[in-house]
Amino acid sequence: DGGITQSPKYLFRKEGQNVTLSCEQNLNHDAMYWYRQDPGQGLRLIYYSQIVNDFQKGDIAEGYSVSREKKESFPLTVTSAQKNPTAFYLCASTKEGRNTEAFFGQGTRLTVV
Amino acid sequence: QQQVKQSPQSLIVQKGGIPIINCAYENTAFDYFPWYQQFPGKGPALLIAIRPDVSEKKEGRFTISFNKSAKQFSLHIMDSQPGDSATYFCAASSTFSGSARQLTFGSGTQLTVLP
Repeated sequence: DGGITQSPKYLFRKEGQNVTLSCEQNLNHDAMYWYRQDPGQGLRLIYYSQIVNDFQKGDIAEGYSVSREKKESFPLTVTSAQKNPTAFYLCASTKEGRNTEAFFGQGTRLTVV
Repeated sequence: QQQVKQSPQSLIVQKGGIPIINCAYENTAFDYFPWYQQFPGKGPALLIAIRPDVSEKKEGRFTISFNKSAKQFSLHIMDSQPGDSATYFCAASSTFSGSARQLTFGSGTQLTVLP
């Protein structure tokens, strides 16, 4: 079955530590996205990528970095510069076209300890 | 920043009731309006979507009503069931450039359907 796989499901980060969240898709979609979800705030866009080796900042990119070396993979690194990283992180992808739905992974819950 | 305003924040109905969730947007460049359903600890999943040239769309028990002139759209759930208890997000979509789509989400509505 095609879909998006995020790992790990739960992640704990110590203060000052960088952590990387994995996102893999086998839908053959060109565009991939990272969103952050906080209670009562909906989903906010961190980064997006339209094609391999290209990515753009979203609304809340500070303290995060991404790479897109393969079409299937779009990992997100939460750096120590992100002061409030505790949140639910969602990866998504879309195929090209106007009326196209976003497919989401099951999310990674990151907690700072 | 482009916004999509969603209300109410939470909603409790009895089984068989018809919850209604409302959203409003400002940017006329939005050209696709999906609704997502999210269960706790899971990623959102597309429920139903509408284009701005259509005033209503129905899929099963779910109906979107769209008012282009007022820049508002709403989700109605007919004959609601306890299994519909979830968080619902409206969204509005436009093209960044190339293949990527900009999805702007509302803040979500937590729906509880009592048995």
